[in-house]
Amino acid sequence: TQLLEQSPQFLSIQEGENLTVYCNSSSVFSSLQWYRQEPGEGPVLLVTVVTGGEVKKLKRLTFQFGDARKDSSLHITAAQPGDTGLYLCAGSFGNEKLTFGTGTRLTIIP
Amino acid sequence: EAGVAQSPRYKIIEKRQSVAFWCNPISGHATLYWYQQILGQGPKLLIQFQNNGVVDDSQLPKDRFSAERLKGVDSTLKIQPAKLEDSAVYLCASSLVLSWGRPVGAKNIQYFGAGTRLSVL
Repeated sequence: TQLLEQSPQFLSIQEGENLTVYCNSSSVFSSLQWYRQEPGEGPVLLVTVVTGGEVKKLKRLTFQFGDARKDSSLHITAAQPGDTGLYLCAGSFGNEKLTFGTGTRLTIIP
Repeated sequence: EAGVAQSPRYKIIEKRQSVAFWCNPISGHATLYWYQQILGQGPKLLIQFQNNGVVDDSQLPKDRFSAERLKGVDSTLKIQPAKLEDSAVYLCASSLVLSWGRPVGAKNIQYFGAGTRLSVL
């Protein structure tokens, strides 16, 4: 079983602070996606990374794919209450099936 | 463009009862997925359809779960009989095409519905 571990599991910070969440695996990803899921909704795709060392930015969110394509990080600058949600990474290991991580539940306190 | 529609939004049943969930994917999307998301965990793929054929059902508990997509559009997922551990959110997703190892692009992005929250008492 290919396991994706996300850390931390829970994170609660004040508005305006910066944070980083991580997604790690012992296996090499062919591609990795980050999703945000709000209560009562399905996950929504934020970004896809494919190349080792790749960095993508989406406004205040910065996504990085590890050089060895086994890990990824999501950094949020100046967090806002609207960033609150469950952040999920999902990896493809050479086929089309997505394997999701356990998620990081982020709460931004106004 | 309408998103993935699921119904019902909530369902409460007693163990050993049967339940069915319905999904209407985005128009034109050939691939449809059913996921199970237990509280505190990420979604787990149960079954994947390409048009009306099953691509992957390796993680579907076939002794009690079944799914069909007869006309290649709508799909139903059934649990019979339900167990306490089936309590979860059941998510449906669809994508335009099946990626089959191709790099992820606009055509094989999965779009998720809001899910059906099942409570088994």
